[in-house]
Amino acid sequence: GAVVSQHPSRVICKSGTSVKIECRSLDFQATTMFWYRQFPKQSLMLMATSNEGSKATYEQGVEKDKFLINHASLTLSTLTVTSAHPEDSSFYICSADRTSGRGGTGELFFGEGSRLTVL
Amino acid sequence: GQQLNQSPQSMFIQEGEDVSMNCTSSSIFNTWLWYKQEPGEGPVLLIALYKAGELTSNGRLTAQFGITRKDSFLNISASIPSDVGIYFCAGRLSGGYQKVTFGTGTKLQVIP
Repeated sequence: GAVVSQHPSRVICKSGTSVKIECRSLDFQATTMFWYRQFPKQSLMLMATSNEGSKATYEQGVEKDKFLINHASLTLSTLTVTSAHPEDSSFYICSADRTSGRGGTGELFFGEGSRLTVL
Repeated sequence: GQQLNQSPQSMFIQEGEDVSMNCTSSSIFNTWLWYKQEPGEGPVLLIALYKAGELTSNGRLTAQFGITRKDSFLNISASIPSDVGIYFCAGRLSGGYQKVTFGTGTKLQVIP
């Protein structure tokens, strides 16, 4: 299957600092990437849709100034958690559409996830 | 955000038994996806379904896209200990660029 890589896999930071998480599609181009947040024992909650070359689309209730998304190329999207607080501690997962022309394949491939712990 | 209803929520089964889980939605989807997630890792795609009524297998896994396009099921035959994990269904409105709605998950535990 297609490979999506996330980095870092784990990060611990102090309250008030900013943390950047990278999501890369290693063997395919992805016009669209998605960022999810997952709390323990819960399903994945979509935070935002990242579009290459344009602004991200955020889900209701997700602060766009808090969670900055940049989709700089067809293989890289970044999520920056700004001024992180303990309540931002979570498992963040990205996914990428394996696009094939205009329609895409419909298959969504996920990164390994990034565990953020804010002290 | 919206979620799909997935059942059962969790199940304990004996190694060798078959497993069945399903997913229902109030909305129609054009694509159904089934994923498995292990602790501390991202979901791994198991099966993708694109047509109503489609039945697709991947080894011991079989999934079907419901005719009404509002449901899907996943079967695992002859379960083994490494099948342990959380299984998520996901629905999508079109082939690409559309966001995916996830099910609530089914936690599977296999007793050796």
